[in-house]
Amino acid sequence: EAQVTQNPRYLITVTGKKLTVTCSQNMNHEYMSWYRQDPGLGLRQIYYSMNVEVTDKGDVPEGYKVSRKEKRNFPLILESPSPNQTSLYFCASRPGGYRGNTEAFFGQGTRLTVV
Amino acid sequence: AQSVTQPDIHITVSEGASLELRCNYSYGATPYLFWYVQSPGQGLQLLLKYFSGDTLVQGIKGFEAEFKRSQSSFNLRKPSVHWSDAAEYFCAVSASGTYKYIFGTGTRLKVLA
Repeated sequence: EAQVTQNPRYLITVTGKKLTVTCSQNMNHEYMSWYRQDPGLGLRQIYYSMNVEVTDKGDVPEGYKVSRKEKRNFPLILESPSPNQTSLYFCASRPGGYRGNTEAFFGQGTRLTVV
Repeated sequence: AQSVTQPDIHITVSEGASLELRCNYSYGATPYLFWYVQSPGQGLQLLLKYFSGDTLVQGIKGFEAEFKRSQSSFNLRKPSVHWSDAAEYFCAVSASGTYKYIFGTGTRLKVLA
């Protein structure tokens, strides 16, 4: 089954304690991205990756890091989480090519609470 | 700059009633348009998409949407709402040559029995 898998689904952590949210896709997609969802703001892109070892900032990258060492995995790293990073996070993947007419597949989401 | 506006934050309809969720976009060329649904505790599921051609597109779960270039709109419709349609709905645009989705702020649908 084609899917994007995020782990963990729920996470409560304390300010400053480094954490990683994993994302894996089994569709051989080139493009992967991370979004955060906040009430009244919709989904905003944090980082994206066009392919292995190619990553770039989205609209709200501050406080986040990513890496793309393998095509299927795109972890999101919070080196020093703060309460304003409490949010619902989604990983997504899309097929490659230069056109935008492809469907994105989303993971189930990770609800992060930073206290 | 590209943007997507969903003017209705909350909509409440009775089961069996018709539904229309509004979406307006701002983009210079023809965009690629999407509607996603997010059920409680779930990820986003694609309802339908518009790339080109027929401006009335059919999606899953009985939904359809109409692309109107003159109004920069891509409204989502369903003739008869079911209680299971209660969810949050997101309109998104993807510009040609990019992979980035621009999402609207979402419309939360409540269905009354």
